[in-house]
Amino acid sequence: DTAVSQTPKYLVTQMGNDKSIKCEQNLGHDTMYWYKQDSKKFLKIMFSYNNKELIINETVPNRFSPKSPDKAHLNLHINSLELGDSAVYFCASSQGHLNTEAFFGQGTRLTVV
Amino acid sequence: AQTVTQSQPEMSVQEAETVTLSCTYDTSESDYYLFWYKQPPSRQMILVIRQEAYKQQNATENRFSVNFQKAAKSFSLKISDSQLGDAAMYFCARIHNAGNMLTFGGGTRLMVKP
Repeated sequence: DTAVSQTPKYLVTQMGNDKSIKCEQNLGHDTMYWYKQDSKKFLKIMFSYNNKELIINETVPNRFSPKSPDKAHLNLHINSLELGDSAVYFCASSQGHLNTEAFFGQGTRLTVV
Repeated sequence: AQTVTQSQPEMSVQEAETVTLSCTYDTSESDYYLFWYKQPPSRQMILVIRQEAYKQQNATENRFSVNFQKAAKSFSLKISDSQLGDAAMYFCARIHNAGNMLTFGGGTRLMVKP
C-alpha cells in the first residue's frame, strides 16, 4: 500500500485556470506538508499543517492554499495559474517530531502553458 | 535566513569506490536534526540517513555514513562501495523546530560509472 499518495501525477493546464492536487496519507501521521521542486531541482517548503496549526512559507503567493478535510488529507488549491507555477509539487507527512522521517508522495508534475 | 548549502552540483564515482558529498548549514538552534535524502530518476524522495545534533557519534546506515562537524556546521555523506543504483540526486536537509519543516540544499547529482 502506498504510504503517501498524490493525484494526479501529471497535470497540464492553461494560464489563468484553477487546479487542485490531492494528497492522502495512510500512516496515521499528524503533520502534512507541501513542497515545491523547481526546474533546477531546488526543493522548498510551502506549507506545514497539523490539526492545530498552519505554517505558511512567507514566499508562497496567496493564490496557493492548502485545504485539509481530515487528518489524512491535505489538498493543494492553486488559483489563477501562472507560467512560473510549473514545477513538481510534493506532498509529505510525518509524525510531527523533529527526529521523525518525512515520507514523501511521488510528486505531481504541473505544467502551465 | 537559515540555509543549507551543497557546494557540489555534480559528482562522479567509479563503481565499488567511495565518494563524499558535502553539506554545510546555518542555524541558531542548539538542538536540531539533519538528513540526507536520495531522489532517483523515479522522483521518489527516500531518506538515506539522519543525524541528531546533540549526538557526538556519526550516524551510519550500511554503506552510508556521515561526518558531522557541529562547530563547523558541516554534514557530509560518505557512500562506500558505490553501486549503480546509488546514482541519483542527493539532498541534505535540516529540520526547523517550527512546523517540523525541512530546508533543503540545492542537491548534488551523483553519477556512478561501471
